[in-house]
Amino acid sequence: QKEVEQNSGPLSVPEGAIASLNCTYSDRVSQSFFWYRQYSGKSPELIMSIYSNGDKEDGRFTAQLNKASQYVSLLIRDSQPSDSATYLCAVRGNKLVFGAGTILRVKS
Amino acid sequence: DTEVTQTPKHLVMGMTNKKSLKCEQHMGHRAMYWYKQKAKKPPELMFVYSYEKLSINESVPSRFSPECPNSSLLNLHLHALQPEDSALYLCASSQQTGENYGYTFGSGTRLTVV
Repeated sequence: QKEVEQNSGPLSVPEGAIASLNCTYSDRVSQSFFWYRQYSGKSPELIMSIYSNGDKEDGRFTAQLNKASQYVSLLIRDSQPSDSATYLCAVRGNKLVFGAGTILRVKS
Repeated sequence: DTEVTQTPKHLVMGMTNKKSLKCEQHMGHRAMYWYKQKAKKPPELMFVYSYEKLSINESVPSRFSPECPNSSLLNLHLHALQPEDSALYLCASSQQTGENYGYTFGSGTRLTVV
């Protein structure tokens, strides 16, 4: 079982819709969870971090964490074509481990 | 300064060459990392430095040799690489190695081994 699992996609949503990205992890002792956005040929950019169960909102982004279910999600409201990228879920134990990433395509 | 700076941005090297990748940050971060990313794959951890000491080596071949001369600099020395080592090499830093510290990534060095 992979440490961090994501659906590779692509996930296609129309402009203005909500994009929902999901991630599960295997290490129950993990305490820190991150979402990175990576445009093609560029480096990962941190967009959200979450440490406690529940929701955390930042602008159009909402991260959700459920430690009992070992599940992290990222919601992007009012999706824009500029949101089209690969979204990497990362889980921190003694090191930061990335999922394979979900490709998001926002169509105008 | 909130950036991690990597040089060069692109590097082409032969299998017998010796080259070095450089990474610099002035955020006062005490943990620095090297990651390798192949196309359409997630970044994979190579090395972790904490307070200028190597704390994690993810069984990386000895043709990759990291060095941390001071708290702001991280180098990756390359020697006798193989074509399959061609990838995007990412440097990152964090305040410390504890769990609650997010990483800031540099823009990467795209390495091609010919």
